[in-house]
Amino acid sequence: QVQLVQSGAEVKKPGASVKVSCKASEYTFTDYYIHWVRQAPGQGLEWMGWINPKSGGTNYAQKFRGWVAVTRDTSVSTTYMELSRLTSADTAIYYCARVNGGNKITGALDIWGQGTMVTVSS
Amino acid sequence: QSALTQPASVSGSPGQSITISCIGTSSDVGGYNYVSWYQQHPGKVPKVMIYDVSTRPSGVSNRFSGSKSGNTASLTISGLQAEDEADYYCISYTSSSTLVFGTGTKVTVL
Repeated sequence: QVQLVQSGAEVKKPGASVKVSCKASEYTFTDYYIHWVRQAPGQGLEWMGWINPKSGGTNYAQKFRGWVAVTRDTSVSTTYMELSRLTSADTAIYYCARVNGGNKITGALDIWGQGTMVTVSS
Repeated sequence: QSALTQPASVSGSPGQSITISCIGTSSDVGGYNYVSWYQQHPGKVPKVMIYDVSTRPSGVSNRFSGSKSGNTASLTISGLQAEDEADYYCISYTSSSTLVFGTGTKVTVL
């Protein structure tokens, strides 16, 4: 079925970087924007950025510009989110999610990855 | 971009109706008909309940409805049921071509 499968949990030290992958299956990867969202323990959802898998174009929340990078590899239908200069405040579950309807920045985030727990600890 | 403002908690008895507000600005909620609502049960992935202000995805109960007036969007749950107890988040498109979430609302069924 249509799904997004994310890479496994990560434990990183402060100052390191992390790269989370999100592999799409059973749909045309380049036809749907992907968004990245994170949720710190016990906290709300926080939007991070989007990527247009067809063009590779991206946009990020102001807070994350300069230290997050979302990329894609169309040959393996996979999106990547890399966060650098990690601190304990980046400990969170990171989700990728697909926009419904095709080739739209916004709409329903109808398909979500299962989430990837990133723990930053010394 | 500041988070959209939602009440921290809303409660109601089974069968009642409740409304959750989502207050933004003319640069987000008020400027576009691109507000969505997500339900999240503890430990679960968020689920879209409403998108484009008032469109309900297939499979979502018609007890859920959305609306917007000015810079405020609203989610109404009618005929409240125990299974509706969850966290709810609004999210809006913005003038920067980004998205911004609301602060989240915990719905309690009394």
